[in-house]
Amino acid sequence: DTAVSQTPKYLVTQMGNDKSIKCEQNLGHDTMYWYKQDSKKFLKIMFSYNNKELIINETVPNRFSPKSPDKAHLNLHINSLELGDSAVYFCASSQDWQGNEQYFGPGTRLTVT
Amino acid sequence: AQKVTQAQTEISVVEKEDVTLDCVYETRDTTYYLFWYKQPPSGELVFLIRRNSFDEQNEISGRYSWNFQKSTSSFNFTITASQVVDSAVYFCALIKNSGGYQKVTFGTGTKLQVIP
Repeated sequence: DTAVSQTPKYLVTQMGNDKSIKCEQNLGHDTMYWYKQDSKKFLKIMFSYNNKELIINETVPNRFSPKSPDKAHLNLHINSLELGDSAVYFCASSQDWQGNEQYFGPGTRLTVT
Repeated sequence: AQKVTQAQTEISVVEKEDVTLDCVYETRDTTYYLFWYKQPPSGELVFLIRRNSFDEQNEISGRYSWNFQKSTSSFNFTITASQVVDSAVYFCALIKNSGGYQKVTFGTGTKLQVIP
């Protein structure tokens, strides 16, 4: 059973398009995260939700909008895609937001052409 | 300010050698959590260990051991008798919580190559 799943695994799209990446966890965790990993492997947190409420919102362009319909899902919608958005995006979850370990999804490789 | 420094960008060792990956952190908080994650070439991120700021006990898990020293703000990771399967990028991370706010910082990672 996959604990944290993301779809799609690969996403190739053109500049200016809007796309979404979906994330689901079946661990019963309260907290979910989105990270961006660039080509140099730098891993940077973007957002975090605890029980559907935003608890981390780093300096991210407002073209990126997270949506948490329930605590098992945290989707990432990106408007007006730019070349610089090309990266691997990881979703993660943790039991709660009290500093517990995070379990990561397999990542979504986004390529913007 | 919160910061995690992994000064070693890349390390190469020959199989069976011991290797230590360094992690130095900065935070003004007294309560925080430290982590190590492994990212093998396949790309997934795997949790290795978690430590809270009040627990300075060193930990050993098989060939892996961790040395947490608050006096030097370091949380170093040692692999004993390295194996090719240890080849990966290793990330150190710091989490602190304050009220309803959380701060998560990952280091830039250390790429370990174990040569057979």
